[in-house]
Amino acid sequence: AQKVTQAQTEISVVEKEDVTLDCVYETRDTTYYLFWYKQPPSGELVFLIRRNSFDEQNEISGRYSWNFQKSTSSFNFTITASQVVDSAVYFCALSEILTGANSKLTFGKGITLSVRP
Amino acid sequence: DAGVIQSPRHEVTEMGQEVTLRCKPISGHDYLFWYRQTMMRGLELLIYFNNNVPIDDSGMPEDRFSAKMPNASFSTLKIQPSEPRDSAVYFCASSPFNARGEKLFFGSGTQLSVL
Repeated sequence: AQKVTQAQTEISVVEKEDVTLDCVYETRDTTYYLFWYKQPPSGELVFLIRRNSFDEQNEISGRYSWNFQKSTSSFNFTITASQVVDSAVYFCALSEILTGANSKLTFGKGITLSVRP
Repeated sequence: DAGVIQSPRHEVTEMGQEVTLRCKPISGHDYLFWYRQTMMRGLELLIYFNNNVPIDDSGMPEDRFSAKMPNASFSTLKIQPSEPRDSAVYFCASSPFNARGEKLFFGSGTQLSVL
């Protein structure tokens, strides 16, 4: 069975600090997708990034960066110069094949990030 | 474009009552998903539909839970009778495809409290 582990449950930082959110996954698939979603206080989950298992290049988007390492089955997320608006719950997820083209996402438990002014 | 719309945002009910949660997916999305979020179990997939047909309901916890999608723009999740352990946030999500790399678009959720 597939599994996503987000060992950190809560992180608190002061504004402008860098913070890294860890994600470790387990899968038997050779082809898979990894995701990060953000859940702000308003409640809805917002897609941040998707990564194919064959693409290990790290990605940077503004203050956000992602480090994908197949050797350690990790897909970590770093926020540089954190801001109060980054306060949210962050979920890592793994796409699992069900049948044929059908799949479903397995989510981690989420990490609550609090950024203090 | 409007996103996924869920109603109500909050529902408080008493044990034994019937609860109906509603969802309007994004127009043109063929897949609709119902998730439940609790502190203990995190986000769990309950059921999903493709073109209004239920494809996988293995996540539905008990027979007290049922979901329908009478047309492409509307789905309901019903709990009858409700129990306190059903208290959770219920999310609806939609996507144009269900390929492995496809992202989901989530609604704002329904916070359900069963007293």
